Amino acid sequence: RKEVEQDPGPFNVPEGATVAFNCTYSNSASQSFFWYRQDCRKEPKLLMSVYSSGNEDGRFTAQLNRASQYISLLIRDSKLSDSATYLCVVTYDTGGFKTIFGAGTRLFVKA
Amino acid sequence: DAMVIQNPRYQVTQFGKPVTLSCSQTLNHNVMYWYQQKSSQAPKLLFHYYDKDFNNEADTPDNFQSRRPNTSFCFLDIRSPGLGDAAMYLCATSRDGIGRAAAFGSGTRLTVV
Repeated sequence: RKEVEQDPGPFNVPEGATVAFNCTYSNSASQSFFWYRQDCRKEPKLLMSVYSSGNEDGRFTAQLNRASQYISLLIRDSKLSDSATYLCVVTYDTGGFKTIFGAGTRLFVKA
Repeated sequence: DAMVIQNPRYQVTQFGKPVTLSCSQTLNHNVMYWYQQKSSQAPKLLFHYYDKDFNNEADTPDNFQSRRPNTSFCFLDIRSPGLGDAAMYLCATSRDGIGRAAAFGSGTRLTVV
């Protein structure tokens, strides 16, 4: 089983749609959770951290469920510029912090 | 201003010829990572340094080595590049502690000819 697994993509949605991505992780000792965005041929960039209480940043809402070991990302009112790959990222301490990426979910937002 | 800097941006090397990729950071982060990312795949962790402590992933080939002479610099050495090693190599840094996200450099795209 992969350490971090994401919804298979791609997701094709029209502008203005709401889209949700899920991600599960296998290591119950995981401590930190993030969503990164990666544009084609660019490096991943931090989109938002994910907190146990859930958090929102504009059109983006992230949730964490430690009991079920999954995190989610909700994008409301999708824009063309949201088209990218969204990577679920989990960090845990193995005597040195280790950051593991999910395979990513590709999102295409169309006019 | 870029805080994690990778050089060069593009590297072409010959099959079997050793190559070194470099990464520097101005963030004073104690953790530095090297990832390999192939087309349409997630970044794959090769190894990371926690300060001076080197942590190798179990499935990282021996062909890949790393050096971290000081806090700011980290190098990826590929001793005998094969065609399958062509990829984007990403350096990232983070600070020790819960909730610390990693910051990435722009990557070095390696081509093996």
